[in-house]
Order: sequence, then C-alpha cells, then structure tokens
Amino acid sequence: EIVLTQSPATLSLFPGERATLSCRASQFIDNYIAWYQQKPGQAPRLLIYDASKRVTGIPARFSGSGSGTDFTLTISSLEPEDFAVYYCQHRSNWPLTFGGGTKVEI
Amino acid sequence: EVQLVESGGGLVQPGRSLRLSCAASGFTFDNYAMHWVRQAPGKGLEWVSGISWSSTNIGYADSVKGRFTISRDNAKNSLYLQMNSLRPEDTAFYYCVKDFLGDGWFDPWGQGTLVTVSS
Repeated sequence: EIVLTQSPATLSLFPGERATLSCRASQFIDNYIAWYQQKPGQAPRLLIYDASKRVTGIPARFSGSGSGTDFTLTISSLEPEDFAVYYCQHRSNWPLTFGGGTKVEI
Repeated sequence: EVQLVESGGGLVQPGRSLRLSCAASGFTFDNYAMHWVRQAPGKGLEWVSGISWSSTNIGYADSVKGRFTISRDNAKNSLYLQMNSLRPEDTAFYYCVKDFLGDGWFDPWGQGTLVTVSS
C-alpha cells in the first residue's frame, strides 16, 4: 500500500497570503496525484488531478506541481472561502489511498 | 447535473450487517467506475472499495476485505455496498463517488450516509 504523508497538518495564514501544501508518497507514483478540498459539513471536491491539471471551474489561484514522490498544492493568494481541509490522493494502484490532510486556517 | 444519492445508513450492532445503496443520475452510469469512500467523524478520508463499469475489476481496502462486497446494477443506475461483520471502527460517513474520467479520481461525491456501529 502506498502511504501519502501530508505536511504541515495545520497551516495558519491570513487572507491574501500564499499557501504551500506538501504531499509525499512512500514510493514512486509518477504524476498520479490529485488534490481535494473539504469544507465543514460538505463532501470533498476535486481541485487538481494528474498532479497539475485543474478541474473546470476551479480558480486559477490553485495550482499543483510535482512528480515521482513529492507533490505540492499552491494557493497563490488565499480567499476567505479557501480556508478548509485539503487532501491528496494517488491512483497509482489499488488500494487507492489519501493523505491525512492539511487544515488551512485563518 | 450529476446526482449521487446514498441510502441505507443507520445504527447497527457490532457483528451485524447493513447494505448501502447509491442512486445515480445525470450521466451514463455504465460508462464509469464507481467507488465508496468513508470518513469517520472528525477524521480523514479512506477509500473503501471500487468497481469498474463492467464489474470485472473490483478492489477493497485491506480494512474491509472479506467483510464488504461492492456491486452495481447498470440497468438500475445503482451502486451497492454490502457490509457484514460490522465493527465499531466502521463507524463513518460513507460517500458514493463517481470516477472522474474513468481514471481513479473521485468527482463528484454524494452527500454521504452515516453508519454507526455500536451496541
């Protein structure tokens, strides 16, 4: 099973600041990583897939990068609605797994 | 608009069984793999099981292998999860999720159904 380790667990920032979230895989997974956003009381939603492809409708301030074992989600300038929990997920093989999440708080 | 509506959750005693259903609409159901993902209250996400469009490829998390069975009925646009020998650690919101582009990404998600395993 591929283990995904997200860091930091919590990121405390102000609106307008840049957020950099990390996801590290326990083995090589090429670019097979996605990022999800989850707000309280809501189901997650897909933001980024294949490491850097933005889902239609997701604002351009969200970007993903990385390949191999190290991946990054960047939010260039935080909006109030961006404060949420973010999860990475791989699809390299089954079982599919998620990282433990990063909470972005004000 | 894609809609995924889960049902069948509730309170169940340890060792008992429960069957979850997911009614899908707004897309060609038999073109896509489907998944169940769960989230214990206040915790992270855990993929539970996935099934290909034709039911030929099925996978499970180690934590549920041998106890849970995923299935689908393409004629009824429905996904199921049969959960046997339930344990307290199976307590979670269970989400029905569509495979995004047939490639192992999850989008969209249903609203979830809560399963509580307790005596």
